[in-house]
Amino acid sequence: KNQVEQSPQSLIILEGKNCTLQCNYTVSPFSNLRWYKQDTGRGPVSLTIMTFSENTKSNGRYTATLDADTKQSSLHITASQLSDSASYICVVSPILTGGGNKLTFGTGTQLKVEL
Amino acid sequence: DTAVSQTPKYLVTQMGNDKSIKCEQNLGHDTMYWYKQDSKKFLKIMFSYNNKELIINETVPNRFSPKSPDKAHLNLHINSLELGDSAVYFCASSPFRSSGGSEQYFGPGTRLTVT
Repeated sequence: KNQVEQSPQSLIILEGKNCTLQCNYTVSPFSNLRWYKQDTGRGPVSLTIMTFSENTKSNGRYTATLDADTKQSSLHITASQLSDSASYICVVSPILTGGGNKLTFGTGTQLKVEL
Repeated sequence: DTAVSQTPKYLVTQMGNDKSIKCEQNLGHDTMYWYKQDSKKFLKIMFSYNNKELIINETVPNRFSPKSPDKAHLNLHINSLELGDSAVYFCASSPFRSSGGSEQYFGPGTRLTVT
């Protein structure tokens, strides 16, 4: 079982609508949780990074929340645009002995925004 | 200016061949990574180098050999290619090796198809 699970697997919404993507993780202890956006045929691009002590972080129309007690995070997208169509990946950075920046990736949510 | 670049973008080759993928970053980062993204879009780390020193080496077949001639370059050589090696390979870099909030910047990916 993957240590970072995301839901839904895919989502279709109309332009202008809001949506929320979910992430459940078992990675522990962890240093930070990130959300990445990956456009088709491109590399992932960071949207937000939250340390375990942060509850929320915004980046424009993207707002991420984190509940370290329940090990859940969500990414809320407001007033969706066609350009939001992409895969959104939840990533957890575990604390490793000896250092090393080894990220654990979720399976992603494929979002499609339609007219 | 491209921050993390990879060549080639597409690579089609036959089973049994040997091929290399090159990666360069102009961000001045100390740490570089290779990831493999399979058909289910799941990203998994393969290797990480910090200032030319190997620091992460996941369970990857010996046919895969990374080479870092300097801290701005991390190449991936694959011997005796197999059908299962078909995937998108992403290079990434980050400022630090620590498991803290070090952001990772991804390249555009190399789509490898083994026939």
